Amino acid sequence: EAGVAQSPRYKIIEKRQSVAFWCNPISGHATLYWYQQILGQGPKLLIQFQNNGVVDDSQLPKDRFSAERLKGVDSTLKIQPAKLEDSAVYLCASSFDGYPYFGPGTRLLVL
Amino acid sequence: AQSVSQHNHHVILSEAASLELGCNYSYGGTVNLFWYVQYPGQHLQLLLKYFSGDPLVKGIKGFEAEFIKSKFSFNLRKPSVQWSDTAEYFCAVTLSGGYNKLIFGAGTRLAVHP
Repeated sequence: EAGVAQSPRYKIIEKRQSVAFWCNPISGHATLYWYQQILGQGPKLLIQFQNNGVVDDSQLPKDRFSAERLKGVDSTLKIQPAKLEDSAVYLCASSFDGYPYFGPGTRLLVL
Repeated sequence: AQSVSQHNHHVILSEAASLELGCNYSYGGTVNLFWYVQYPGQHLQLLLKYFSGDPLVKGIKGFEAEFIKSKFSFNLRKPSVQWSDTAEYFCAVTLSGGYNKLIFGAGTRLAVHP
């Protein structure tokens, strides 16, 4: 069974630039999550989708972050404009049975 | 507010030593509990989970965890660690039922010396 795919794996941008991350969940998984993991901290949920509807986005900084899951499969997370404090690993995960299977993450560095 | 606390940020052990990593949570309902592991250079993997039933849960690679409801705890244990257990360990909690979000602790970084 293929795992959760994410791209790119690494990204370096300057502050105020925009960036987008892509996630392809495990086939058949209706729930998709985006987490932010800052160095030294545990993953923090940014947004959770059930199919293509948003279940929870209470911790998503909506003034700069956006996410979509059109057609209920792939998802993109965008940051516009980026700030220095957005430097982190962005993890995508998917589930069908109540707990997430994680992808490898995208490591973002904002200079 | 819901939260998960992991008591030790860094643990250093010699091979064959016993391991116990603490996890306490603050939640007001029935919970599902998890331990995830992240080996160096790899992504997060599920180590074990508790949904209901026997509060002593067996996971992969000889790990186990015990849910003590009265103490709001879900500590991870292994009787004898190996060098290959060097990793970061995360406790996570979610409310049972529905599409509830999974809240993670800050993690414990374990280093096992040969």
